[in-house]
Amino acid sequence: DAKTTQPNSMESNEEEPVHLPCNHSTISGTDYIHWYRQLPSQGPEYVIHGLTSNVNNRMASLAIAEDRKSSTLILHRATLRDAAVYYCILRPMNRDDKIIFGKGTRLHILP
Amino acid sequence: DTEVTQTPKHLVMGMTNKKSLKCEQHMGHRAMYWYKQKAKKPPELMFVYSYEKLSINESVPSRFSPECPNSSLLNLHLHALQPEDSALYLCASSGGRGGNTIYFGEGSWLTVV
Repeated sequence: DAKTTQPNSMESNEEEPVHLPCNHSTISGTDYIHWYRQLPSQGPEYVIHGLTSNVNNRMASLAIAEDRKSSTLILHRATLRDAAVYYCILRPMNRDDKIIFGKGTRLHILP
Repeated sequence: DTEVTQTPKHLVMGMTNKKSLKCEQHMGHRAMYWYKQKAKKPPELMFVYSYEKLSINESVPSRFSPECPNSSLLNLHLHALQPEDSALYLCASSGGRGGNTIYFGEGSWLTVV
């Protein structure tokens, strides 16, 4: 199973952009890159996902490296409510998947 | 409706008790999952059901017994648990592989005394 590596923690100031990196050097050509976040005392929630091209939605942007061995989740303007643990996950396209969580990045937002 | 509903939210049980955790989704998802999460740790996969059949068991002790009575429901039967099994148990569902979103419930907080 492909693995992901993320920094343990990051800090950002409120209302500034945040770039959360994820390395997945063993990614296969059919793995999707998903990002989820988990707020305190809640279940994980979907943020964004992509395969090869960069993706944008109302919550965030996902920048995928050309070789797909890394990706970056971009929160354009962090708020205090964005303080959470962010997980980068790989999902295979064509088989039942073990959705394996890495350690994630704990994001702290400073007011 | 994009919700995964888990009940109960909190459960305290003795080591000799038998109890069940329940999970429900009405999104027509074919895959459902159970995870266990200890404090300050990432969720750990326990079981995966695909089309109501158990497809992945991550070597979970037999005191945890999953059941999928129909395409909308997933149960986790608990028996003879140990205090170290106290954790947040998360249920998730997904419409398919790869490019489909995974939806998580809020979890059931289990305390074994």
